Amino acid sequence: NAGVTQTPKFQVLKTGQSMTLQCAQDMNHEYMSWYRQDPGMGLRLIHYSVGAGITDQGEVPNGYNVSRSTTEDFPLRLLSAAPSQTSVYFCASSYSPPNTEAFFGQGTRLTVV
Amino acid sequence: KQEVTQIPAALSVPEGENLVLNCSFTDSAIYNLQWFRQDPGKGLTSLLLIQSSQREQTSGRLNASLDKSSGRSTLYIAASQPGDSATYLCAVWTYNTDKLIFGTGTRLQVFP
Repeated sequence: NAGVTQTPKFQVLKTGQSMTLQCAQDMNHEYMSWYRQDPGMGLRLIHYSVGAGITDQGEVPNGYNVSRSTTEDFPLRLLSAAPSQTSVYFCASSYSPPNTEAFFGQGTRLTVV
Repeated sequence: KQEVTQIPAALSVPEGENLVLNCSFTDSAIYNLQWFRQDPGKGLTSLLLIQSSQREQTSGRLNASLDKSSGRSTLYIAASQPGDSATYLCAVWTYNTDKLIFGTGTRLQVFP
């Protein structure tokens, strides 16, 4: 059972480049989300999805796009990377409320230069 | 808007001590509260999940309590060990939202 898988683990981008962070889960969870973790800021919610075809914004959505075409996958797209997007990104999944124990991937460390 | 606070931000103790980590939240209308552990450079590992109808959950040397009406949870670690050194985060899922909101964590160091 792989759980939540994130790729890549590390990435360096130049300002203005685009890329997609991949997230896949094999637990048939309806709910998936993306967080960024910055020193002193904790985990902040970027975007989330309550099921295939449904996405919504979290606390810090600017500069990021998401889509959810399948239950298993929830990619996060950076259209034009900026140094302020240097962070560690985590993907999480869970069943819908109230059974919402969340499972996290191992993270993607992104540096934008 | 739900806000989650964890105190203290950092804690350094000798091995063997019993510890209490605190988590408070502003909106008591929650489905549940979850405690996580994060090792440096790693992802989050779920420790305990307390549903809103429960008062506490236990796993080994860990015990988490929940007082929903006062917006507080505590994580009790008995007989701490150096292997307990990590950052501990709490998170709450609030009614009528689809969001799991995190506190900023408590960084724990247990020295031999």
